[in-house]
Amino acid sequence: EAQVTQNPRYLITVTGKKLTVTCSQNMNHEYMSWYRQDPGLGLRQIYYSMNVEVTDKGDVPEGYKVSRKEKRNFPLILESPSPNQTSLYFCASSSGGGKLFFGSGTQLSVL
Amino acid sequence: ELKVEQNPLFLSMQEGKNYTIYCNYSTTSDRLYWYRQDPGKSLESLFVLLSNGAVKQEGRLMASLDTKARLSTLHITAAVHDLSATYFCAVIPAGGGADGLTFGKGTHLIIQP
Repeated sequence: EAQVTQNPRYLITVTGKKLTVTCSQNMNHEYMSWYRQDPGLGLRQIYYSMNVEVTDKGDVPEGYKVSRKEKRNFPLILESPSPNQTSLYFCASSSGGGKLFFGSGTQLSVL
Repeated sequence: ELKVEQNPLFLSMQEGKNYTIYCNYSTTSDRLYWYRQDPGKSLESLFVLLSNGAVKQEGRLMASLDTKARLSTLHITAAVHDLSATYFCAVIPAGGGADGLTFGKGTHLIIQP
């Protein structure tokens, strides 16, 4: 089954403790991206990647890192999480044309 | 900076009624997308509109695009409860890179029996 898999689904952590949210797709898509969703703000792009070893900032990249060492994986790294990064995070992938396939989301709470 | 505005942001309507959600965007684009999100779920692609005058329909939902007016509409015909969800439009600006979508804030639609 074609899918984008994110883990974990829920995560509670404390300020400053490094964490990684994993994202994997099995559709051989070149394009992958991360969004955060906040009430009243819609979805905002954090980072995107157009291919292996090619990443670029989206609209709200501060406090986040990404890597794309393999085509299928695109982890999101928070080196020193802060409470304002409490949000619902979505990974997405695409073969082009703008039709994104989204993961099931990761609800992150930073205390 | 591309801005995407949806209205209304919240809509409560009765089953059987018709209604339209509007999506305006601020810069030239000929690619517009509609997504649906059920409560607590991920986003699902509904429509891809790639040219001026494009119209797509699926069931009780119909989407259209007017690139000259920078406007897309999502029309709901004879609404049913199962269509309750949040609907997002998203745009890639002309010349924009890859699939960098800018989303509207979403329209939270509640359809009551």
